[in-house]
Amino acid sequence: DAKTTQPNSMESNEEEPVHLPCNHSTISGTDYIHWYRQLPSQGPEYVIHGLTSNVNNRMASLAIAEDRKSSTLILHRATLRDAAVYYCILRVPNTGNQFYFGTGTSLTVIP
Amino acid sequence: GAGVSQTPSNKVTEKGKYVELRCDPISGHTALYWYRQSLGQGPEFLIYFQGTGAADDSGLPNDRFFAVRPEGSVSTLKIQRTERGDSAVYLCASSSTGPQSPLHFGNGTRLTVT
Repeated sequence: DAKTTQPNSMESNEEEPVHLPCNHSTISGTDYIHWYRQLPSQGPEYVIHGLTSNVNNRMASLAIAEDRKSSTLILHRATLRDAAVYYCILRVPNTGNQFYFGTGTSLTVIP
Repeated sequence: GAGVSQTPSNKVTEKGKYVELRCDPISGHTALYWYRQSLGQGPEFLIYFQGTGAADDSGLPNDRFFAVRPEGSVSTLKIQRTERGDSAVYLCASSSTGPQSPLHFGNGTRLTVT
């Protein structure tokens, strides 16, 4: 299985940047790195994904290590609405079932 | 456009009863997934459909659980002889084909078995 490890919880002050780490040392060359977040009482929501290069979108940035064994989700200015559980997942090509969620990182944003 | 819709949003049933949970995916999405989430845990994979067929059902916990997607769109998760341990939020997601395609989740059905 393509597994990831994340800290159980993190805290950030409002309007400060947040760096959420993820280790995926068993990643294969064609595995995509996906990030999702889950707000209370909602289904998970797609945030961002990448393969090798760093990625930016309106929600966040994804920084991928050169050896691809780790990645970091960056929220540039945390807001109270960013308080959620963030999941880092590896998606393996041609195997639709390989989308396993761990326990994620619970982010608390302090006003 | 419309997102993934799951009905009912809440279901309370008695131990031993049969339940059906419905998922309406995003139109045109060929892949459909069912997950189960217990309190404080991440979603647990149950089954994955590609079109009408179950491409991977390795996550179904036992033969009381069954899912169908007869026309390649709407899917129904069926649980027979429910047990209290089946209480959880059941999540459905759909996506286009390919490892870059994100999953789009519904808000789930909260099943409570009394």
